Amino acid sequence: AQSVTQPDIHITVSEGASLELRCNYSYGATPYLFWYVQSPGQGLQLLLKYFSGDTLVQGIKGFEAEFKRSQSSFNLRKPSVHWSDAAEYFCAVGPPLRVNKLSFGAGTTVTVRA
Amino acid sequence: DTEVTQTPKHLVMGMTNKKSLKCEQHMGHRAMYWYKQKAKKPPELMFVYSYEKLSINESVPSRFSPECPNSSLLNLHLHALQPEDSALYLCASSQSPKDRTSYEQYFGPGTRLTVT
Repeated sequence: AQSVTQPDIHITVSEGASLELRCNYSYGATPYLFWYVQSPGQGLQLLLKYFSGDTLVQGIKGFEAEFKRSQSSFNLRKPSVHWSDAAEYFCAVGPPLRVNKLSFGAGTTVTVRA
Repeated sequence: DTEVTQTPKHLVMGMTNKKSLKCEQHMGHRAMYWYKQKAKKPPELMFVYSYEKLSINESVPSRFSPECPNSSLLNLHLHALQPEDSALYLCASSQSPKDRTSYEQYFGPGTRLTVT
């Protein structure tokens, strides 16, 4: 069975500082990997995805993520955080060819202080 | 355009009421999903439709009844709900799993349901 762990429940970062959110997965093969962001009371917005190929993927809003097979990780980064990045971030994994069954991590709440 | 729309945005219903949630997408996606999300939790999959046929039911109580009238529309019919069913209900869509070019799910803004 696949599972996703986001070790950090809550992260507080200063505006302009860098941000890294951790995601570890457990799966027998390399799954398809996603990061979503959810602002309060809103739906989920896809930030980026990894299926195969280049292990550093670029997403929207200045985010990037790096897939590390040896560590079963898919960490999300942003070099300089804006106040509008305050939100809930979810890592998700899906088995190749059957990603209609996504498994979500518990989420990381990001607070941005001025 | 990667938009999934959901109506209504908010819904308050009594435990004896019957109501429906509606979801629509015009991206040509052939897979559509219903999720339930409680506060501070990740979304939980409820149902998946693929090519207008129900392909996954995650053991959801029968008081929730999904319907997919066509490839663009997805409904969730609600009847005799309990207060613990209060949550954000999210709809999503994706290219069919048979299409290997794109698997990501696009989510709507959700319907905030309160059962009194």
